[in-house]
Amino acid sequence: EADIYQTPRYLVIGTGKKITLECSQTMGHDKMYWYQQDPGMELHLIHYSYGVNSTEKGDLSSESTVSRIRTEHFPLTLESARPSHTSQYLCASRAGTGVSGELFFGEGSRLTVL
Amino acid sequence: KNEVEQSPQNLTAQEGEFITINCSYSVGISALHWLQQHPGGGIVSLFMLSSGKKKHGRLIATINIQEKHSSLHITASHPRDSAVYICAVTNTGKLIFGQGTTLQVKP
Repeated sequence: EADIYQTPRYLVIGTGKKITLECSQTMGHDKMYWYQQDPGMELHLIHYSYGVNSTEKGDLSSESTVSRIRTEHFPLTLESARPSHTSQYLCASRAGTGVSGELFFGEGSRLTVL
Repeated sequence: KNEVEQSPQNLTAQEGEFITINCSYSVGISALHWLQQHPGGGIVSLFMLSSGKKKHGRLIATINIQEKHSSLHITASHPRDSAVYICAVTNTGKLIFGQGTTLQVKP
């Protein structure tokens, strides 16, 4: 069973609000990822991290920020939510390379911005 | 052209049929992942491959590194297998996803 957790699972907020989506994993994985996925569509990389104090931007990063102060925690922040941010956000983690590199996904955070 | 291509995009099968989903990639990889996503659900890792073949229950995954191709097979398919199956590769630490194959198995 995967030990990666996302909160909140569902969130409805108004335009302009600042929100933080939480992601935690207890597997000691170095690599963590945030993806955005609209219904029936592909996953789009927002941010990723290869370890503590290491973060990189993905394809859709311009309106969000992440931090990686602790190995187990990788929060995603939207400074000013807009209706275009309505989507599902998926967090994933992965150990290093080779046989230990299996992917684990959280259950997702479904965000609706009114 | 996408770096990871899956085929078919959509697949409908009758219960009990043998199913094959294909994944071709054009980049160097350190591993290939097959993932499953049920409607409205999270994503579950089915396999991670760097060579050869793996089997788990009714699922079999193969990879041919020289041909840059992987297949996911489902034997004796069941309606609960209905889901989106996603191929992803790891390349220089990043994950590159295919567009997914939507499978519907009818009873």
